Amino acid sequence: EVQLVESGGAVVQPGRSLRLSCAASGIKFYDYAMNWFRQAPGKGLEWVGFIRSKAYGGTTEYAASVKGRFTISRDDSKTIAYLQMNNLRTEDTAVYFCTGANCRTTSCYREAPFDHWGQGTLVTVSS
Amino acid sequence: DVVMTQSPLSLPVTLGQPASISCRSTQSLVHSDGNTYLNWFQLRPGQSPRRLIYKVSNRDSGVPDRFSGSGSGTDFTLTISRVEAEDVGLYYCMEGTHWPPYTFGQGTNLEIK
Repeated sequence: EVQLVESGGAVVQPGRSLRLSCAASGIKFYDYAMNWFRQAPGKGLEWVGFIRSKAYGGTTEYAASVKGRFTISRDDSKTIAYLQMNNLRTEDTAVYFCTGANCRTTSCYREAPFDHWGQGTLVTVSS
Repeated sequence: DVVMTQSPLSLPVTLGQPASISCRSTQSLVHSDGNTYLNWFQLRPGQSPRRLIYKVSNRDSGVPDRFSGSGSGTDFTLTISRVEAEDVGLYYCMEGTHWPPYTFGQGTNLEIK
């Protein structure tokens, strides 16, 4: 059974940092590109960023709204993906979800083939 | 940047009646490979997102056949032929043609009248 479990959500003050984790099981984690999405209260879904598998360079892409502040990394030995969030803003308040995709082509990514998601973890940025 | 606009944002529907959600993009979603990467997601209360439809009209495994997608270019529709109670939630169109990033519509909140 595939499971993705996010953790690390908390209440933090603006300007502070927080690291979220996404622990995966039931998949060949090293083959998966891992994505982070978020949903702010009363707002829509937003893609945050992703990290490719090591086989495809382990490189990252980010949404413009978080670029330069957020960093995604992975530890294939622990099957965990991380979202390091620095210089947090009130508008980063959201439930953060992780999901993965085992894609070999860019057309696969374009289809957003996210079969499995975590339950989400709540980040609240407030003074 | 591509902007995705959904309508309506709130959709009260009587059980057993049809429902339609419109999604329009500011740029054509036809990719140079000939495919149109317009996907639909459902977000039920307290649950994680679920993809329903990919590439305009392809239904995901396990998705009831009352859900269908249609459209082309910049204009797309998600249709539920007969709404059931379990369909309550938020529905999002999402374009992948210009990935990265993925761009979502604002979401449509489907509720039962």
